[in-house]
Amino acid sequence: DSGVTQTPKHLITATGQRVTLRCSPRSGDLSVYWYQQSLDQGLQFLIQYYNGEERAKGNILERFSAQQFPDLHSELNLSSLELGDSALYFCASSVEARENTEAFFGQGTRLTVV
Amino acid sequence: DQQVKQNSPSLSVQEGRISILNCDYTNSMFDYFLWYKKYPAEGPTFLISISSIKDKNEDGRFTVFLNKSAKHLSLHIVPSQPGDSAVYFCAASAPRDDKIIFGKGTRLHILP
Repeated sequence: DSGVTQTPKHLITATGQRVTLRCSPRSGDLSVYWYQQSLDQGLQFLIQYYNGEERAKGNILERFSAQQFPDLHSELNLSSLELGDSALYFCASSVEARENTEAFFGQGTRLTVV
Repeated sequence: DQQVKQNSPSLSVQEGRISILNCDYTNSMFDYFLWYKKYPAEGPTFLISISSIKDKNEDGRFTVFLNKSAKHLSLHIVPSQPGDSAVYFCAASAPRDDKIIFGKGTRLHILP
């Protein structure tokens, strides 16, 4: 158990809909990362928050947004969903923004868009 | 543009032998490299890391080698065990750039 909790574990929704994925980081971790893993793809970095502020942005679509709340949990919002958005979405957390620390991953949310 | 490349999608190794997983990178600014291991239905877990000031880091059966001039790193697992069967991701990060960039992963099969 990494200490990072992601909910829900599975999500099935229709095209055009909007979903929210939730992540609770490890206790004490200030940094939260979101990654997308599609079929045959590695972990694609989406976005990082550190202590409530956006810190780094990757290949995140404009239809996607995220935020980190004062209690440090984070949500990833995916809207106008398309079939191609079906993927595993991982959240990870670390103590610092970087400083040569590894990130601890949650078990992921499997999103299926039908 | 893939900054971290794992060119072997899969690798099969006999139990007890050495497993060598390779990773190449293109961004010369990367200064910290990590390997993660992922079992099905689980999130990736950190395995071992290396800073660019070193060329080798060892932790038990796992050793990571870094060749900066070739922009290449490798993970050696000796001896390979059945529980090592998993997908291994190579990852890297650059100073003042907090995101960790991952490769596509290599699926390692340890054969009995």
